[in-house]
Amino acid sequence: NSKVIQTPRYLVKGQGQKAKMRCIPEKGHPVVFWYQQNKNNEFKFLINFQNQEVLQQIDMTEKRFSAECPSNSPCSLEIQSSEAGDSALYLCASSPQGVQNTLYFGAGTRLSVL
Amino acid sequence: GDQVEQSPSALSLHEGTGSALRCNFTTTMRAVQWFQQNSRGSLINLFYLASGTKENGRLKSTFNSKESYSTLHIRDAQLEDSGTYFCAAHQGGSAKLIFGEGTKLTVSS
Repeated sequence: NSKVIQTPRYLVKGQGQKAKMRCIPEKGHPVVFWYQQNKNNEFKFLINFQNQEVLQQIDMTEKRFSAECPSNSPCSLEIQSSEAGDSALYLCASSPQGVQNTLYFGAGTRLSVL
Repeated sequence: GDQVEQSPSALSLHEGTGSALRCNFTTTMRAVQWFQQNSRGSLINLFYLASGTKENGRLKSTFNSKESYSTLHIRDAQLEDSGTYFCAAHQGGSAKLIFGEGTKLTVSS
């Protein structure tokens, strides 16, 4: 179904540590999204890119996260200083050209902050 | 979220039976996607609709943007249909999806 590849599958960090996860979008998909899914199944949009440019991001992402989608390299999302509340499933999705098009999700990175 | 109200929150079916899931939208949505999330967390694409009805095997989905709702019908349920189903909608010109709260489906023999 989806060819979006996310690594690592699981990530365990202590509070205050950096936590970095990567995403390879489907080939030919210029739009990339990051979502956070918490234990209550609530999805929070974090940031999206078109090619290497940020389209939208929320305040939390701007302040505490570092994200990029360099050309010819995986996209990445890094929490600069992990907090217990960051424990969640981080989902990357990619989409073909066009702002309203099907999103294809990867399997996610499950982050546990101890 | 508040803009996408999904029901029911949980559903139990016996193999071979069917039911419907529904999402109501409190604002105008341009398109909707339905996903199945399996036990490993993977979100599997089921449908993308900008309008009308699509069918794929035992699944059928409808999106009515004027009346602000979408439905997902499952017929002849199988054990492998168990999982959590999410609707997610595109609002206006925004690229991001707004997700419903999910329906946890359990299919038993």
